[in-house]
Parts: sequence; C-alpha cells; structure tokens
Amino acid sequence: KQEVTQIPAALSVPEGENLVLNCSFTDSAIYNLQWFRQDPGKGLTSLLLIQSSQREQTSGRLNASLDKSSGRSTLYIAASQPGDSATYLCAPWGNRDDKIIFGKGTRLHILP
Amino acid sequence: DAGVIQSPRHEVTEMGQEVTLRCKPISGHDYLFWYRQTMMRGLELLIYFNNNVPIDDSGMPEDRFSAKMPNASFSTLKIQPSEPRDSAVYFCASSLGTTIQETQYFGPGTRLLVL
Repeated sequence: KQEVTQIPAALSVPEGENLVLNCSFTDSAIYNLQWFRQDPGKGLTSLLLIQSSQREQTSGRLNASLDKSSGRSTLYIAASQPGDSATYLCAPWGNRDDKIIFGKGTRLHILP
Repeated sequence: DAGVIQSPRHEVTEMGQEVTLRCKPISGHDYLFWYRQTMMRGLELLIYFNNNVPIDDSGMPEDRFSAKMPNASFSTLKIQPSEPRDSAVYFCASSLGTTIQETQYFGPGTRLLVL
C-alpha cells in the first residue's frame, strides 16, 4: 500500500528565502504526482502535476521535481512571500491500484 | 466558471441523523471525486465517478456511506446514520480528461460536525 511522507511537517522562514519541501512515497509505480496548496478553511488548489515520464515542472516561482525510482519529489519555492503561507500537499497517483494518496502536508509560514 | 460548488458549507447534526452533502462539478468535467479530510488520517479518497458511473468506492468507510451521481452536474454523499467519528471536512473535486490522472479542481468543502 502506498505511503506518502512529507518532511518537514511545519516550516517557518523569513520572506525572500528560497525553500524546499520534500515528499517521499513508498511505491514508485505511479502515473503522476501532484502538488497542491491548501489555505486554512479552504479546498485544495493544484499547483503542479508531473507525469511519471517527466523530471520536473515549473510554474512561476515554483519548481517541482520527481525522482520516481527513489520515490521522491521536491517542491522548490523561490523568493518566498507571505502570500505563500499555506499547507502544501503532495499526492502520487499509483498505477497498481489506480488510487491517489495524499501526504499529510507541510504547513508553511512565511514571516514578513 | 464558478468552480466546484459544495453545499452546505457547514453542517452540525446529532448522532443518528441522516446527512446529505451536495456537489456540483465544473461543467464539462468527466470525473468527480469525494474526499474526507481529518487531522488524524489526512485526506482520503472515498469514491469517484466517471461520466456519472461509480468507478471505485473502495474508500467508502462503511455501508452507512453512499454516493450518487444522477446526472453530470450533481452528486450527493449521504451518511445514514451519522456518528461522531464521521466529523470531518468533506471535499468534492472534478477533473477534465480522457484519463483519470488529470489535474483535479477542488470545492471549498463541507465541514461536518456530528454531536
């Protein structure tokens, strides 16, 4: 059964810093992996989707990488801003059981 | 487009009562998903539909839970009878595409509290 771990669980950094959020998963048989953002009391917003054949995806200040063989993905946020404060979740979609499994998320706080 | 619409946004009910959660997906999306989010278990997929047909309901926790999608623009998740451990935020999401592994768009969620 796929297990998804996100480290750290919480992170506080000063505005302007570059930062990396980590996601690891136990089963490398995946179709893709998505990174989502969740603001308090709100639903999830998809940030990036990386197909299993891709190594990375970029959107603005966000860059997500995928190393499927080692079961790892990272989300890189450049020049962090207070508006980036949210919980970030990763979710690989497995092709053995055709299910999407979410990590518990990293709660990010950007200090002004 | 207004995005995925869920109602009600908050629901407080007593144990044993029936609860019905509603979802309107984004127009034209072929897939609809129901999720449950709790502090302990995180976000879990309960069931998903493709073209109004339930495809995988293995995530539905018990027979007390049921979901329907009578047409392309409406789905319900029903809990009968409800129990305190059902308290959670329930999300509906939809996606467009010929395969299931497309970007999902989430609704704002329904926060359910069962007393």
